[in-house]
Amino acid sequence: GESVGLHLPTLSVQEGDNSIINCAYSNSASDYFIWYKQESGKGPQFIIDIRSNMDKRQGQRVTVLLNKTVKHLSLQIAATQPGDSAVYFCAEGALSGGYNKLIFGAGTRLAVHP
Amino acid sequence: DTEVTQTPKHLVMGMTNKKSLKCEQHMGHRAMYWYKQKAKKPPELMFVYSYEKLSINESVPSRFSPECPNSSLLNLHLHALQPEDSALYLCASSPRFGGGSYEQYFGPGTRLTVT
Repeated sequence: GESVGLHLPTLSVQEGDNSIINCAYSNSASDYFIWYKQESGKGPQFIIDIRSNMDKRQGQRVTVLLNKTVKHLSLQIAATQPGDSAVYFCAEGALSGGYNKLIFGAGTRLAVHP
Repeated sequence: DTEVTQTPKHLVMGMTNKKSLKCEQHMGHRAMYWYKQKAKKPPELMFVYSYEKLSINESVPSRFSPECPNSSLLNLHLHALQPEDSALYLCASSPRFGGGSYEQYFGPGTRLTVT
C-alpha cells in the first residue's frame, strides 16, 4: 500500500547550523505534501506545505523541496535553534481507500545542541 | 483565530467508565477529524466529519463513538475501553475535506490512560 517513510529517525545538529530532514513517498499520484512539527506533549503544528505543481516553497527559516522524479521531499531549517527540537512528520495528501486523506510518515526527531 | 482546543488535557478512566473528549474550533472549518497517536508513532486517522456528517470511519471499534453537534464542535464518546486504547487523542480541522484542500490544524490533544 501507500507509505511515506523517512531516511533518518534521529537528526542531531549544532545550534546555528542548517538542518535537512528527508522524506520518501511512494504514491506518485499524491498532489499535496505537508510538514508538521510536534513538540513533546503537544499536537502537531503546521509548518509548511507544497503542491505537486511546485518544486520549492519557502517560509520563515524553512524551505520545502519536492522532487517528484524520485518521490522525495525535504524540509530545510536555516540557523537551527534549540526551539526547533521536536519530532517532524511529513505527510502526503492522496487518494486512499476511495477518499483523500493525509498519510503520515514515521517521523524524525531533531535534536539541537548548544 | 487559528486554534483548535481540546478538553480535557489529561483523562484517566477505568474500563467500565463512560467519558467524553471535546474539541472546538472557530475558524469556520467544515471538516473535523479524530486521530489516535501512540508514543513515538504518527497520528492515525479514526473519523472524519464533513459538514457535520460522518464521512469516514476507519474501522474504529464501537467503543469509540464520535458526535458532531454543530460545525464548531466535535465529541468523542468513550465506553468500555481497553488498556491498549491509552494514547494521545488528537482533534484536527480543515477548511473542507478532500477537493484539494488538505491542510489540517491540530489541537493539543487529550492524553488518555485506561486503567
